[in-house]
Amino acid sequence: DAGVTQSPTHLIKTRGQQVTLRCSPKSGHDTVSWYQQALGQGPQFIFQYYEEEERQRGNFPDRFSGHQFPNYSSELNVNALLLGDSALYLCASTRQGNTIYFGEGSWLTVV
Amino acid sequence: AQRVTQPEKLLSVFKGAPVELKCNYSYSGSPELFWYVQYSRQRLQLLLRHISRESIKGFTADLNKGETSFHLKKPFAQEEDSAMYYCALSGGSTLGRLYFGRGTQLTVWP
Repeated sequence: DAGVTQSPTHLIKTRGQQVTLRCSPKSGHDTVSWYQQALGQGPQFIFQYYEEEERQRGNFPDRFSGHQFPNYSSELNVNALLLGDSALYLCASTRQGNTIYFGEGSWLTVV
Repeated sequence: AQRVTQPEKLLSVFKGAPVELKCNYSYSGSPELFWYVQYSRQRLQLLLRHISRESIKGFTADLNKGETSFHLKKPFAQEEDSAMYYCALSGGSTLGRLYFGRGTQLTVWP
């Protein structure tokens, strides 16, 4: 079991561009969450997907959107990128309130 | 509002010394508390959760509802314990969503 896998691992974008990050949950998991971790901070919850619907959302603007596919994989989309969006984006998966597992993250740099 | 506070950004101890990483929380209800650890160049991983009352790698943490604390302790620190430690909270209608503290970087000197 490869655990939670994310792609890409690193990417650089220009202000105003759009980015899509991808996540495959751990085998058997049906719930996927996304977190943003800025340098020197703890992870901040963006949103959570279950049964292909957004179930919970943190305090992030509508520029942040997501999707969950029938195979439980997920995407995070960020539009109109700002310099402040530069961060590590973590995907986490779980099933029915059990242990939450994290991926290694995608490092996004906005220049 | 839910909040997790880790007052120490950096903590250094010598090998064999006791270590305590502090965590305080605010939550109106019965929270579930966790400690996550991130070793150098590795992913964030669960160290322990209060409901399991386990001791992992010699670490323990007791939930003190009166003081709203969940401090992480180990009687004899080892060099391999050097890592970033995050306290996190979940509960109620936000079950499955974790609120993290800013983390404490623990360095254990030989």
